[in-house]
Amino acid sequence: QLQLQESGSGLVRPSQTLSLTCDVTGDSIINGGYSWTWIRQPLGRGLEWLGNIYHSGTTSFSPSLESRLTMSVDASKNQFSLNLTSVTAADTAVYYCARVTTVGRGDCFDYWGQGILVTVSS
Amino acid sequence: DIQMTQSPSSLSASVGDTVTITCRASQTIGNYLNWYQQKPGKAPKLLIYGVSNLESGVPSRFSGSRSGTDFILTITSLQIEDFATYYCQQSSTTPRTFGLGTKVDI
Repeated sequence: QLQLQESGSGLVRPSQTLSLTCDVTGDSIINGGYSWTWIRQPLGRGLEWLGNIYHSGTTSFSPSLESRLTMSVDASKNQFSLNLTSVTAADTAVYYCARVTTVGRGDCFDYWGQGILVTVSS
Repeated sequence: DIQMTQSPSSLSASVGDTVTITCRASQTIGNYLNWYQQKPGKAPKLLIYGVSNLESGVPSRFSGSRSGTDFILTITSLQIEDFATYYCQQSSTTPRTFGLGTKVDI
């Protein structure tokens, strides 16, 4: 059974960098046909897609965050990571990692981590 | 960005009811529409992908369909465990976008 688990700092100072890691167990992260994603949800609000990363390292980001966002894959550790720079209070949210499965020309998020709350505050 | 508009934003229902939730996209998205269920404090769970394909393990009382520009999630014979918030999401273009959610409560 595939499982994903987020980890990282739960408190980040304004203007600093938010860094999270998603550990994947139950399958290899470089198994073809899948990519990996980060999605966030401010408390009590809706879901926002941040971006995808493929096992090759190719990324696709939300244009609204692209200038502050990087993602990477570490196949040796079977994990992928998110860095978001220059954070503000608006970046406070629960951050989820998830697997992306291709469906025709579209895709869906079929396995999710439990989420990690990140608060931006001084 | 494609805006996904869900209606209603909330609804009250009883066990055994049939519930329908509608999602409309601001642009054409083909059949690239997914539905998720989220319970408080939990991650979203994929219910339906590609408009009408039921994810493995999801009860058959959940179904998805399309009527013109409207995408519809139907829950027949509502069970107590179905009280949750439901989100639609398009996978036609980047950025992927979600509706604001429909909260189904008692």
